[in-house]
Amino acid sequence: GAGVSQSPSNKVTEKGKDVELRCDPISGHTALYWYRQSLGQGLEFLIYFQGNSAPDKSGLPSDRFSAERTGGSVSTLTIQRTQQEDSAVYLCASSLNLNSNQPQHFGDGTRLSIL
Amino acid sequence: AQKVTQAQTEISVVEKEDVTLDCVYETRDTTYYLFWYKQPPSGELVFLIRRNSFDEQNEISGRYSWNFQKSTSSFNFTITASQVVDSAVYFCALSGDSGNTPLVFGKGTRLSVIA
Repeated sequence: GAGVSQSPSNKVTEKGKDVELRCDPISGHTALYWYRQSLGQGLEFLIYFQGNSAPDKSGLPSDRFSAERTGGSVSTLTIQRTQQEDSAVYLCASSLNLNSNQPQHFGDGTRLSIL
Repeated sequence: AQKVTQAQTEISVVEKEDVTLDCVYETRDTTYYLFWYKQPPSGELVFLIRRNSFDEQNEISGRYSWNFQKSTSSFNFTITASQVVDSAVYFCALSGDSGNTPLVFGKGTRLSVIA
């Protein structure tokens, strides 16, 4: 498809397990972003990539969270030793580049539920 | 620092009423961009409009219109003759060169249009 694709759509896992969320950006978009949205809340910025590089990881909630992007395309967000407070919708977005005039285009998100 | 404030948490209107969603922003940048996104119940964030700081002309797109006023640092969004399909959470966002994150979102306004 032409839009941002995220998988899985839904993930239910037990506390303490590791999870990996995937984002496939729009073809040709060099910038990629991860956000978290808790139930009924606004968007919490996590991390962005320009190409394969993430200049600032300070938005990640804890050291259990990591993200990588390879080949300037697909990105994965990994949460280790999941906790119940990690339950949220994880949204990925991409834009043509990092210029501030570029709108971000979002995927449908991954709904993560930690039991 | 960059900040976006959407003071209205929730609004309910009856179908065919006009409704205005408020957005106030703070930034030190002289060049910046403002965006509105719609998040319907399905969850995907949909880009609606981008406005740059040098263009204060109001914009109209069908039933949607946007009023950008630099003097009051506001970028308000009006829906004319609202419809049930307009029910969603609407986010205002700001992008500039001085922020720590590429796009700063407000907390959103939940609009419910009642038939």
